[in-house]
Formats: sequence, structure tokens, C-alpha cells
Amino acid sequence: DAGVTQSPTHLIKTRGQQVTLRCSPKSGHDTVSWYQQALGQGPQFIFQYYEEEERQRGNFPDRFSGHQFPNYSSELNVNALLLGDSALYLCASSGLLQQAPTNEKLFFGSGTQLSVL
Amino acid sequence: SQQGEEDPQALSIQEGENATMNCSYKTSINNLQWYRQNSGRGLVHLILIRSNEREKHSGRLRVTLDTSKKSSSLLITASRAADTASYFCATVPYGNNRLAFGKGNQVVVIP
Repeated sequence: DAGVTQSPTHLIKTRGQQVTLRCSPKSGHDTVSWYQQALGQGPQFIFQYYEEEERQRGNFPDRFSGHQFPNYSSELNVNALLLGDSALYLCASSGLLQQAPTNEKLFFGSGTQLSVL
Repeated sequence: SQQGEEDPQALSIQEGENATMNCSYKTSINNLQWYRQNSGRGLVHLILIRSNEREKHSGRLRVTLDTSKKSSSLLITASRAADTASYFCATVPYGNNRLAFGKGNQVVVIP
């Protein structure tokens, strides 16, 4: 049973470029959340996808966008990259609790380390 | 914004000793969770405690929750070198189904 998988593992971009990160949730999970973790900090919630729609969003600008596919996999897109976007980007999956996306016991991928030069 | 705030930020102990970490939060919560992160990679869920629970155990882990003080503690008993990691508390506030993480505790267990 595969856990949460993310690709790529590492990525180096320059300011102004665009990046796409990918995530496949744990088998049986249909909800995907994305987090940004700066060095030495805790993860910050970006947004959550369920049934191919963005259900919740954290305090991130519109440069951060996402998508969820019918097979529950998800992408995170960041446009017009800034130096401050350098971070570990984590994807987490979860199932449903009482027919609604739950944040109880998230399963995390190993993350994508993004460096913006 | 960060919901949980762990204290202390860094802890270094000898193998076999107990490690205690504290977390405080600001708003009413549905539940509080603790996660472990090794070497800046993915987080692993350790334990969840609900707002109507005061204490919970899982193996060598013991979590307490004091909703009147808006604080929680995580105790790792008989620590092992493999427990070396960063530990994060995360809360799910009432009316907001998103998980908010604290800044984390770095724990180093010396063999």
C-alpha cells in the first residue's frame, strides 16, 4: 500500500519562473492538503482539495494555485517565484469523517524542496 | 498564522531519559495532534487528543491536554536515539477544519 508520494524531490528555479509540484495521495484517501514549511518553522497551510475543488485556503497569494484530478492526485502551481518561496512543500492526504474531509491524522509525503535563486 | 507554540524549542537528553515538550494555543479547539519530523522531511502522525479528553497514551507517548490553560504536553518515556527528531503540535480549531502547526521542538537523544 503506497503512502503519499510527491515529485520532484528537489527543484531549483530562478525568480519569476513558474513551478508545478505533484502529489499522489495514500490509497483510499480523497482529500489532499498542501503545506509550505520554511527552514526552522512549522508547516503553513496553503489549501485543501476535495472532489476536485479547493475547499479551504490559507493566507497565501493568488500566485499559489492548485488542482485535483479525478484520481485524487493533485498539483501545486506557483507563479512568478520569489526568493521567499524557497521552502519544503509538503502534501498531506486524509479521508472522510462523517462524509466531510477530515484533518484528523494526516499522512504526509516526503516533500519537495524548492530553492529559488 | 501559527496556532501552536511549543516550549522548549530545543532539547538534548541522554538515551533512557524522559523528554517533555509543551504546546500552547490561542483559540478553542476540536482536537490537538502531535507529529514527528525526521531531518526536515515528511511528518508522521503520533497521537491525537480531543478537546473532551485530558490524557492519552500510545506506547511510550503520553499526551495531556488542559483546555482551561489552552496547553498540551507530550512526554516520551525511556527515549531512544531513534527518537531524535522535530516534534510539532497542531490544532484543529472549532469552526475551522484546517490544521495549524506550531514552530516545533528539536529533540536530540544522545546514545
